[in-house]
Order: sequence, then C-alpha cells, then structure tokens
Amino acid sequence: QVQLVQSGSELKKPGASVKVSCKTYGYIFTSYAMNWVRQAPGQGLEWIGWINTYSGNPTVAQAFTGRFVFSLDSSVSTAYLQINSLKVEDTAIYYCARDSISWDNWLDPWGQGTLVTVSS
Amino acid sequence: DIQMTQSPSSLSAFVGDRVTITCRASQAISNYLAWYQHKPGKAPKSLIYAASSLQSGVPSRFSGSKSGTDFTLTINSLQPEDLATYYCQQYHSYPRTFGQGTKVEIK
Repeated sequence: QVQLVQSGSELKKPGASVKVSCKTYGYIFTSYAMNWVRQAPGQGLEWIGWINTYSGNPTVAQAFTGRFVFSLDSSVSTAYLQINSLKVEDTAIYYCARDSISWDNWLDPWGQGTLVTVSS
Repeated sequence: DIQMTQSPSSLSAFVGDRVTITCRASQAISNYLAWYQHKPGKAPKSLIYAASSLQSGVPSRFSGSKSGTDFTLTINSLQPEDLATYYCQQYHSYPRTFGQGTKVEIK
C-alpha cells in the first residue's frame, strides 16, 4: 500500500542545517506532487510548499523562502526537506504529504512526521 | 493568499452528540476544500475532500457541506475515538492554506 516513511528526530544547534527524508512506497514516485507541512509546538498546520516530483521544480511559500530547500532522489523514491541556518523557532514537527491525485489536490497520505528540535 | 477562518477553536461534547465545525474562505474556492483529522502523535488523516466527498475508509458519521464560501464539517454521533484536532485546507490556489484548527474534546 501507499506509504510515506520519514527519517527520525533531529536535535540541532542554531545555525546548523538539517535534512529530513521522506521515503515513499507503493506508487510511482514521479506521478504525484509532494508537499511539506510544519506544526510548531502548540500551533496549527502550516503549508511550507511542494515539489513537482516529475520536473523537480519546487514551490516554497513566501514565509519559508530562503532557508527551506526541497530536493528529490527519484532512484530511491525519496523526497527531502533541508533547512539551513536553523533558528530556535524552526523547532517543529515536519510532515511530508502526497497530493492525493497526481497534482493540485488534497493531501493524502501523510508521513508520520519528523521532530526537529533546535536548541543551544 | 486565501485566508481560512475556522471556528470554534475548541469544543467539548458528549459521546453521541452532533458536532459542527465551520470554515470560511476569504474568497471563492469553488469546492476545493478538504478536512483533516489530527490525533496527537499521529499523522494527519484526510476525512473529506471536494467539500463533501468522504475519503475511503472514513466512517459515515463524518460529513461535509458547502454554502458559498462557508464550509462545514459535521460529526454525527460523536465517538470517543474522535478526540482530535480538525483542520480545513483550501487547495484552490497556492499557497495552500489551513484553518487554525478545532480541538474536539469529549465531556
């Protein structure tokens, strides 16, 4: 069945970088868009952006431009979110979520989430 | 950006009650509206798409409706396992935007 499996929790210092992976199973990786969503402590869901898994073209929401980078390794059906120059306020659970039907649709399924903690 | 205003932010109800959550879009989004259920420590799960279509495998006590730019998620006969936070999300245009969430508690 379709599954998105994310990498484990990360503890980083301010200024460092982190790369979260989202390995996919059970479908053709390049046929569905991949999204990234953040949930900061005590907050709601925020959409970070999406990447076209066929062309590799990323779209990052304005609030996240500059330090948030999407990438792909189609040979292993995996999407990545890299966050550079980490700040304490980047502490959050990060989810990958596939477009339900190829492109421009609701999100289903979701990965289990990766907790990124930024602390000195 | 399209703003999604969701209410209430939290509610408490008895098992068996009917619960209603609303979401208002700041502009027309046709029926490009999804509802998600998010339980603590779990991945969010889609419940409703296209404003009123039930995702496969979701219990029929969940339903969605639309009136203009107002959208409603209804849980008929609330169950203990429905304890969660519920979010609406528009997928009409980018950036995708979520409502602020509604935390549902059981009395």
